[in-house]
Amino acid sequence: EDQVTQSPEALRLQEGESSSLNCSYTVSGLRGLFWYRQDPGKGPEFLFTLYSAGEEKEKERLKATLTKKESFLHITAPKPEDSATYLCAVQGETGTYKYIFGTGTRLKVLA
Amino acid sequence: DTEVTQTPKHLVMGMTNKKSLKCEQHMGHRAMYWYKQKAKKPPELMFVYSYEKLSINESVPSRFSPECPNSSLLNLHLHALQPEDSALYLCASSQGTNSPLHFGNGTRLTVT
Repeated sequence: EDQVTQSPEALRLQEGESSSLNCSYTVSGLRGLFWYRQDPGKGPEFLFTLYSAGEEKEKERLKATLTKKESFLHITAPKPEDSATYLCAVQGETGTYKYIFGTGTRLKVLA
Repeated sequence: DTEVTQTPKHLVMGMTNKKSLKCEQHMGHRAMYWYKQKAKKPPELMFVYSYEKLSINESVPSRFSPECPNSSLLNLHLHALQPEDSALYLCASSQGTNSPLHFGNGTRLTVT
């Protein structure tokens, strides 16, 4: 069964303190791994798509990486405005139009 | 601002009411989705339309009725809901399979 596990559940960082969020997955034939940011009361905002092991994507202070078993979202020198819930989702070859979401990491960056 | 627009932003309805949620996208995406999200939980898939035809119904109770009038519009008709149906209802679209979902900002539904 396709499965996604995110860790930690919650993370508090001081401004400027770099860290990484983890997304471990089990899926039959990975079609894509997706990272989202969600602010309270809003819909998830798309950040990155990763399709194959070794792939990396960057956007401002965020960098996403992918291996055959997990993905990391690295946050470099975070700012308070990076505070949000970060969701990871995967799509496997057996689930057309089905995206398996992790439970997310709630990130709080303190000034 | 998102490219997927949902209305209304907030909705309060009684258990005997009939209401509709609306979603619109102009990105030319051919797949549209309804998700339900409870507090501190990930989005939970309800329905998927592909090329205006219902592709997936995740065993959703019949008090929720989806409709896709055209490739840009998606509705969710609500009738005789229960208080436990209170949640954030999210619409999303994608270009196809293997593509990221693009979400609207949702409708916050409260059933009294």
